[in-house]
Amino acid sequence: KAGVTQTPRYLIKTRGQQVTLSCSPISGHRSVSWYQQTPGQGLQFLFEYFSETQRNKGNFPGRFSGRQFSNSRSEMNVSTLELGDSALYLCASGRSNDEQFFGPGTRLTVL
Amino acid sequence: DQQVKQNSPSLSVQEGRISILNCDYTNSMFDYFLWYKKYPAEGPTFLISISSIKDKNEDGRFTVFLNKSAKHLSLHIVPSQPGDSAVYFCAAKTFGNEKLTFGTGTRLTIIP
Repeated sequence: KAGVTQTPRYLIKTRGQQVTLSCSPISGHRSVSWYQQTPGQGLQFLFEYFSETQRNKGNFPGRFSGRQFSNSRSEMNVSTLELGDSALYLCASGRSNDEQFFGPGTRLTVL
Repeated sequence: DQQVKQNSPSLSVQEGRISILNCDYTNSMFDYFLWYKKYPAEGPTFLISISSIKDKNEDGRFTVFLNKSAKHLSLHIVPSQPGDSAVYFCAAKTFGNEKLTFGTGTRLTIIP
């Protein structure tokens, strides 16, 4: 069974640009969550989607947004990038009220 | 407000001995707990979980213990192997909410 996949794996952007990250969950998983990992803040929850609906949102500014498609694939978008957005962005998928499995992450560097 | 805490940033254990990683939480609404292992620049790998209706769960070399009254859980790895060297995160969530709240992690080093 294929795991969670994320593309791209690495990304370099400049301040003010926008970026879109993609996540394909494990087959059969309808819940997709996004997390940001930074050295200073650790692993922080961004948002969770289930059946194309955002069910939960973390404490991030509106520049961070996401969506989920009918095949459960999800995208995350960050607009007007800031230096502090440099982080490892992780996607996790799961069945509701069960374990969540993480993808390898997208390393975003903002210059 | 750090609702999940791992107070030991690092731990070194001899190969073959027991590794014990600890985690404390403050939110009494948490009812499901998970342990993940993470290597640098990779996603966390799920290890083991426990529901609040249990006080122990075992899977091979990994055992998680939950003490609800103390709001404390621990992960035991026996015997420890060099491949266990990684950062370990505990995470917690409430039923019906997929948001995971993570601890800050403990770096485990297994000494050959």
